[in-house]
This record gives sequence, C-alpha cells and structure tokens, in this order.
Amino acid sequence: DTAVSQTPKYLVTQMGNDKSIKCEQNLGHDTMYWYKQDSKKFLKIMFSYNNKELIINETVPNRFSPKSPDKAHLNLHINSLELGDSAVYFCASSSPRSSISGNTIYFGEGSWLTVV
Amino acid sequence: AQSVTQLGSHVSVSEGALVLLRCNYSSSVPPYLFWYVQYPNQGLQLLLKYTSAATLVKGINGFEAEFKKSETSFHLTKPSAHMSDAAEYFCAVSDNTGTASKLTFGTGTRLQVTL
Repeated sequence: DTAVSQTPKYLVTQMGNDKSIKCEQNLGHDTMYWYKQDSKKFLKIMFSYNNKELIINETVPNRFSPKSPDKAHLNLHINSLELGDSAVYFCASSSPRSSISGNTIYFGEGSWLTVV
Repeated sequence: AQSVTQLGSHVSVSEGALVLLRCNYSSSVPPYLFWYVQYPNQGLQLLLKYTSAATLVKGINGFEAEFKKSETSFHLTKPSAHMSDAAEYFCAVSDNTGTASKLTFGTGTRLQVTL
C-alpha cells in the first residue's frame, strides 16, 4: 500500500535518449511534485501540479516536461538526455489546504537515473 | 526567500550517545519546519514537523526537535543513538502558497553511528 509510488526505481540509459518516470499517489492529495537530488545529495524542487494545473516551474530545461493526466498521477518525461541529468528524481504529494496535513509533503522512493 | 542551513555535513557519534543535528532557518513569515531522513538508496521519510503548535516536537524513532524563534533554530536530537539511525538527515522549510507547499532543503547531514 505505497502512498506515493514511482517507476522505474533504477534507469540506465544513453545520452540523447528520451525517457519517462511515472508517479502515482493514493493519498487523495491534490498537489504533486517532482524534486531532483543531485550527486551531492542536494534536493531541489522542479515542478508542482495542483489538480492537473502547473503551479511551480523552477527554471528547469525545456527537455523536462511533466504531465498530469489526473490529480493522482504526475509523470516526468525527459527528452535528449544529457550526462548532467543523472540524479535521483523524487515524486511527492501533499494537500496544502488540509487543516491536518497541509504543509506536509510525502515522498516516493525515488528513481535513480544514470545517463551514460 | 526562505532558507535553511545545516551545520556539519557529517556527524559521527557512538552508539548510545546523544545525537544533535543542527538546523537554522531564515524566513520572513512564521515557518513550517521539517526533518526528513534518507536511508541509503531509499526515499525521504518524514521524521517530524513544526507547524506553530508546540515548540518541542516529537517524531518517529525517538527523535525530537525544538523550535527556538529567538535563535532561528530547529535542531534535531535523540538521547541515545542506535546503529540503525545511520542515514542522511535533511532539514527543510516550507512555503505554502495555498495550492502548493514548496520545500527548501538544507544540504543534509550524514549521521554515522559507531560501536
């Protein structure tokens, strides 16, 4: 019963390829996120969607395109992969307007992307 | 803009010793503060959070943190370290826009527990 699940967990691919990471949450949250953790473990937000609407876009290259078919899913598609895209990508979700858990963001297990 | 600073990228303690991981924040509004833990090759797990209720917050696995506004700090402590506590710990501050909560993380502190 994983709350925030993302696939694949590990992905090794060549430069120039296009790849996607899928994310699903079963917490009933209306906001989902993508965070990137670089090789130095630094975590930074990339995107946020609320009810399928893009809310946060943190100057991420256009090669990264998030897609939210519904509020329970947020996928990340990456075009023309570069070596520097190697990182761990975390999907997350929250319900900002909730009086109980509003500010708490719940993370998935991460997707380890290696570009060779 | 909000930010957090974690002092010490690496902390080593003996099993049974006190754990103290430091976090200072900067925020123009009353902050929401969090500690997350990341075990090797795993995701981020919420340890505890401060949301303007009690200043002493208790979390999972025996951890607690105290919010001190005068010191702009939110240090994480545990009275007695266990080998299983070895992990990376991240302090974070949240900016809630109403439709999204944007977390700004510190650079992390790796906790090593030795026998």
